[in-house]
Amino acid sequence: DTEVTQTPKHLVMGMTNKKSLKCEQHMGHRAMYWYKQKAKKPPELMFVYSYEKLSINESVPSRFSPECPNSSLLNLHLHALQPEDSALYLCARSQPGPQFFGPGTRLTVL
Amino acid sequence: KQEVTQIPAALSVPEGENLVLNCSFTDSAIYNLQWFRQDPGKGLTSLLLIQSSQREQTSGRLNASLDKSSGRSTLYIAASQPGDSATYLCAVPGGSGGYQKVTFGTGTKLQVIP
Repeated sequence: DTEVTQTPKHLVMGMTNKKSLKCEQHMGHRAMYWYKQKAKKPPELMFVYSYEKLSINESVPSRFSPECPNSSLLNLHLHALQPEDSALYLCARSQPGPQFFGPGTRLTVL
Repeated sequence: KQEVTQIPAALSVPEGENLVLNCSFTDSAIYNLQWFRQDPGKGLTSLLLIQSSQREQTSGRLNASLDKSSGRSTLYIAASQPGDSATYLCAVPGGSGGYQKVTFGTGTKLQVIP
């Protein structure tokens, strides 16, 4: 099973809402990643977890809060987002070595 | 800071043509280089991974090369098909952030015309 699954596929939220994005993988890979991708731009790295510990935080605003409860699951908690945070949020895993991506969550902030 | 540039930004070719996509990076201290394709609104599909010690990798109609010393990689697509239409991205981990610090290229949007 090479899949990375992400839920939900689409999310619309207001600026005062709290929501979470979920990512799952069952390959036991050591590293899991969150990326943000705006339209017509490449993905930008947000966070990296290695062995369930946060190893990279690319100066992401605190309204984005990552969590890695176990080796299979990665969450991204969202609170008080801005309209400019609307984007495709991608999760990936690696052993290290090649990265494998999920289908993404399309987030719209109203 | 690693910077990754892809040329051309967009490419339109008739079906059956062979084509080359280019990827340039500024910091040669990379662990590997990975090529992806992305269909509109979708996630990224891994195409090829070249380790820093390798020069080439092949998968079907795709061939990727790596010249680390000059900071360049190319993706060759043979006998292009309409189904190859997508955005192609290269990605390099490495630099001061280690292998987990991945920087993506600017992308090449490919259209193959039937």
